[in-house]
Amino acid sequence: GQQVQQSPASLVLQEGENAELQCNFSSTATQLQWFYQSPGGSLVSLLSNPSGTKHTGRLTSTTVTKERRSSLHISSSQTTDSGTYLCASGTGGYKVVFGSGTRLLVSP
Amino acid sequence: DMKVTQMPRYLIKRMGENVLLECGQDMSHETMYWYRQDPGLGLQLIYISYDVDSNSEGDIPKGYRVSRKKREHFSLILDSAKTNQTSVYFCASSPGQKDEQYFGPGTRLTVL
Repeated sequence: GQQVQQSPASLVLQEGENAELQCNFSSTATQLQWFYQSPGGSLVSLLSNPSGTKHTGRLTSTTVTKERRSSLHISSSQTTDSGTYLCASGTGGYKVVFGSGTRLLVSP
Repeated sequence: DMKVTQMPRYLIKRMGENVLLECGQDMSHETMYWYRQDPGLGLQLIYISYDVDSNSEGDIPKGYRVSRKKREHFSLILDSAKTNQTSVYFCASSPGQKDEQYFGPGTRLTVL
């Protein structure tokens, strides 16, 4: 079945720096979703991007379907961006597989 | 306002007791999911529901059952809870196949 790997496992930044998070998946994905999980545990959908490039606010996701990878770029990081970023990938149908996440800490 | 709700948010039970976790959504989504999240294991799919009374096992269904009698409600039932079912449980919904999933706030279950 689909396997999803995220890197780096953790990342520490100074406020204002940019972040680049990677998601690699084992099979061609028809679904690709990025989530933010707050330190309190709530899960929020950030972007759904199975192919191409998508922007929302300070976030840019680029998915290269043939290469089975997706990235999430966070520009001008803020302390409130701290948390865990999860990538979820599906190959069709209802089911998606989640990666283990990248834990981001942005210090002032 | 699109929303997935979960009740209760926190629950402590003793081993062998029955547990009922409730999930609701106000978006008329056909598909609903139950996941559990454990440190180091990420989010694991327990059950999927495609619509009322149309449910399918996920990756880790053992020890759980589900009920969906109305499109907006999806319940997760643990008959005779075990200590290894201590976890955070998330419910999600999506309009259909290959669609974006929306998550509830989670229920933290502790089984003593």
